[in-house]
Amino acid sequence: SAVISQKPSRDICQRGTSLTIQCQVDSQVTMMFWYRQQPGQSLTLIATANQGSEATYESGFVIDKFPISRPNLTFSTLTVSNMSPEDSSIYLCSVELPGLAGPQETQYFGPGTRLLVL
Amino acid sequence: KNEVEQSPQNLTAQEGEFITINCSYSVGISALHWLQQHPGGGIVSLFMLSSGKKKHGRLIATINIQEKHSSLHITASHPRDSAVYICAVGTDKLIFGTGTRLQVFP
Repeated sequence: SAVISQKPSRDICQRGTSLTIQCQVDSQVTMMFWYRQQPGQSLTLIATANQGSEATYESGFVIDKFPISRPNLTFSTLTVSNMSPEDSSIYLCSVELPGLAGPQETQYFGPGTRLLVL
Repeated sequence: KNEVEQSPQNLTAQEGEFITINCSYSVGISALHWLQQHPGGGIVSLFMLSSGKKKHGRLIATINIQEKHSSLHITASHPRDSAVYICAVGTDKLIFGTGTRLQVFP
């Protein structure tokens, strides 16, 4: 299994500012995922972060708005830049690890960062 | 039409009732996940299925690959089961359903 921590757990920010969210995993993992969950909506993948290479962004998300760092196999950051109220969401990081029952992967999620932009 | 559909969207139950949440999908998948999200936002992975049936405590998950359908059952439901239950299917990435909000009353 994996234990994932995120900082901050929640924040209230002013529009136009930026916030960096940290994700720490207690295991070394190749791929880390960043998701956004807007109020009342399902999770949407923002990007996949591999250590040693640039993050891969999904359609609708760009590096200038959501820069990601992945300096090692246990840590990643997501920055929400030039924030607007539409960025108010829960941001979650996630990893895949081999399941206990076999080689198939199990998805583990961090506790989330609840962001409110005023 | 969403690639992953869940039903019902909202569900209320009395403590002790048997609960079923359904998930249908329209894409080819490698695995299907059932997740639980509590009001604070944290998500816990309950099951990952690629065939058949899995059981963990009072939770049972089944999948029918041919029909592209999965169900999550909760036996002897309890107020602490109150949460949003999310179905997600794995292709080259996870595609999430919109969730089923379950409230269990004492």
